Amino acid sequence: EAGVAQSPRYKIIEKRQSVAFWCNPISGHATLYWYQQILGQGPKLLIQFQNNGVVDDSQLPKDRFSAERLKGVDSTLKIQPAKLEDSAVYLCASSRGQVGQPQHFGDGTRLSIL
Amino acid sequence: QQQVKQSPQSLIVQKGGISIINCAYENTAFDYFPWYQQFPGKGPALLIAIRPDVSEKKEGRFTISFNKSAKQFSLHIMDSQPGDSATYFCAASKGYSTLTFGKGTMLLVSP
Repeated sequence: EAGVAQSPRYKIIEKRQSVAFWCNPISGHATLYWYQQILGQGPKLLIQFQNNGVVDDSQLPKDRFSAERLKGVDSTLKIQPAKLEDSAVYLCASSRGQVGQPQHFGDGTRLSIL
Repeated sequence: QQQVKQSPQSLIVQKGGISIINCAYENTAFDYFPWYQQFPGKGPALLIAIRPDVSEKKEGRFTISFNKSAKQFSLHIMDSQPGDSATYFCAASKGYSTLTFGKGTMLLVSP
C-alpha cells in the first residue's frame, strides 16, 4: 500500500509571497487532514476533510490559508501572503474515516519564510 | 488551552533500560489515545493506541498504561534500543473529532 504523498519536500519563500502544497492520500481513505508542526511542538490540525467536504477548519487562519480537496482525493493547501510565523512543517494525513481508524502521515513539506 | 500535557520534554535512557513517557488530558470526552513515533525528516507513525475501556495494552516492547480516574496515560518502552531514538507524541480524540497532540518527548537511547 503506497503511503501519503506530499510535495514539495522543501520550500523557501520570502514573507508576503504565496505558496502551495500538494497531498495525495492513501487510496480509499475518505478523510484527509492538514497539520502544521512548528519546530519542537506536536502537530496542530489546520483542516479536516471528509471526502470533499470540510469537517473542521476551526484552527485554519482563513485570512491567509485556504485548502481544497477536489473530487475527494488530492488536496492542496495554500498560504497567501506568508508570514514569518508560518515557518513550519506542513503534514498531510489520511484515514479511512471510521471511528478509531489510525491516521497515516506523509513526510511533510518544510516551509521556511525569509 | 493545552488539552494534552506530555512529559518529560526529553529523555536519555541506557540501552536495555525502560523508557517512560507520561501524558495527562483534561477533556473527559476523549475516547481514543494513540502514541506516535517520529524520526527526523519523517511524518509521525502510529505506534500503539488504547481506548478507555482497558487499563493496559501491550504490543511487543511497547505498553500503554491508562488511568481513567486520573486522566493520565503513559508509554513504556521495554529493553530500549538505539533504534528507538525518536520523538514520541501522545494524542487524544473523541470519536471522529480531531487528534490533539502533546508537545512531544525526544528520546535518546545511548548504546
